[in-house]
Amino acid sequence: ETGVTQTPRHLVMGMTNKKSLKCEQHLGHNAMYWYKQSAKKPLELMFVYNFKEQTENNSVPSRFSPECPNSSHLFLHLHTLQPEDSALYLCASSQDSGSYEQYFGPGTRLTVT
Amino acid sequence: GESVGLHLPTLSVQEGDNSIINCAYSNSASDYFIWYKQESGKGPQFIIDIRSNMDKRQGQRVTVLLNKTVKHLSLQIAATQPGDSAVYFCAENKNNNDMRFGAGTRLTVKP
Repeated sequence: ETGVTQTPRHLVMGMTNKKSLKCEQHLGHNAMYWYKQSAKKPLELMFVYNFKEQTENNSVPSRFSPECPNSSHLFLHLHTLQPEDSALYLCASSQDSGSYEQYFGPGTRLTVT
Repeated sequence: GESVGLHLPTLSVQEGDNSIINCAYSNSASDYFIWYKQESGKGPQFIIDIRSNMDKRQGQRVTVLLNKTVKHLSLQIAATQPGDSAVYFCAENKNNNDMRFGAGTRLTVKP
């Protein structure tokens, strides 16, 4: 185990649904990240939080809304998604946003129908 | 545009043989490179890293080589084992948060 947990592990949702992904890290890190991993495509950075403050939004559509209530928890709120948003969503953490070594969770496999 | 990519999408090796996974990058300003391993159903796992002021770094059974002249990065796995079967991808980093990932190479180890 990497010390980063994600729930749920699998999620199927319709385009009109609202759901949330949860990430929790038990490593005492101060930076947390959301990535999208689509089939046969490189990992895409979505959001970066450092000490609970969002430091990067990588041109992500507003139907994805992150929330970081504290340094240990990170959420990704989803609403009115499109089928092309189906992917593996990975959470990661690092000591701070200047640290290169990131620890990844197992991901949430999202299917939008 | 600048990107990180891999020469081969799949690699099959015999158990006990050495594996070499390659990665090409085009951003000469990148100063840090990482190799990740991703097993089925799991998130990426850090394997080894190397800074641009080095050309070789060794870990346990793994070696990363960096050739800045041709912008090439490779991961060598010695005595490959079935547990090494996974997708391996490289990442380059410029200015801390600007991390770019390659698409990955699937390594299959035959018993």
